[in-house]
Amino acid sequence: GIQVEQSPPDLILQEGANSTLRCNFSDSVNNLQWFHQNPWGQLINLFYIPSGTKQNGRLSATTVATERYSLLYISSSQTTDSGVYFCAVERDSWGKLQFGAGTQVVVTP
Amino acid sequence: DTEVTQTPKHLVMGMTNKKSLKCEQHMGHRAMYWYKQKAKKPPELMFVYSYEKLSINESVPSRFSPECPNSSLLNLHLHALQPEDSALYLCASSQADLGYGYTFGSGTRLTVV
Repeated sequence: GIQVEQSPPDLILQEGANSTLRCNFSDSVNNLQWFHQNPWGQLINLFYIPSGTKQNGRLSATTVATERYSLLYISSSQTTDSGVYFCAVERDSWGKLQFGAGTQVVVTP
Repeated sequence: DTEVTQTPKHLVMGMTNKKSLKCEQHMGHRAMYWYKQKAKKPPELMFVYSYEKLSINESVPSRFSPECPNSSLLNLHLHALQPEDSALYLCASSQADLGYGYTFGSGTRLTVV
């Protein structure tokens, strides 16, 4: 099956800092999504981004499908950005998401 | 509040019990999913329903039995579970065929004693 690798596994940021999270995948994909899981377990869909660049407030994402990676940018981080960020790809069957291991982000005041 | 509602939020059950998890969405999505998430791990897909028909079963043990009564509802029936089945069970929905609009519920934290 497809391999999805996220880096770094852990990230500690001071409030106001910027950061970049990376997702590499081992084969071509139909779809790539980024999710944020807050400390209470709620998973929020951040981006549906099989290719190109999208922005939503302080977050933006870029997927370069030909090179099999995606980046998630967090600017001016806030404590509410804490949680786990997952990259998930879809390859063989639509809707069947394969998640990476996630990046645990802690934003300190 | 999310647009995918799961009940109950917490459940403790014995190994001989039968219980059901419920999921409801009113976004008009025609694909619905069950995921299982263990602590400090990513979600793992269990079942996919497309247009109320089971389209994917990821080799899940038969003690987990999904049901999709209509396009808005998804149930997961539990019977004779093991302690290792304790986990967060997440329901999700999306537009069919594209996987667009993937939305998760807040989950049911299940403990099997």
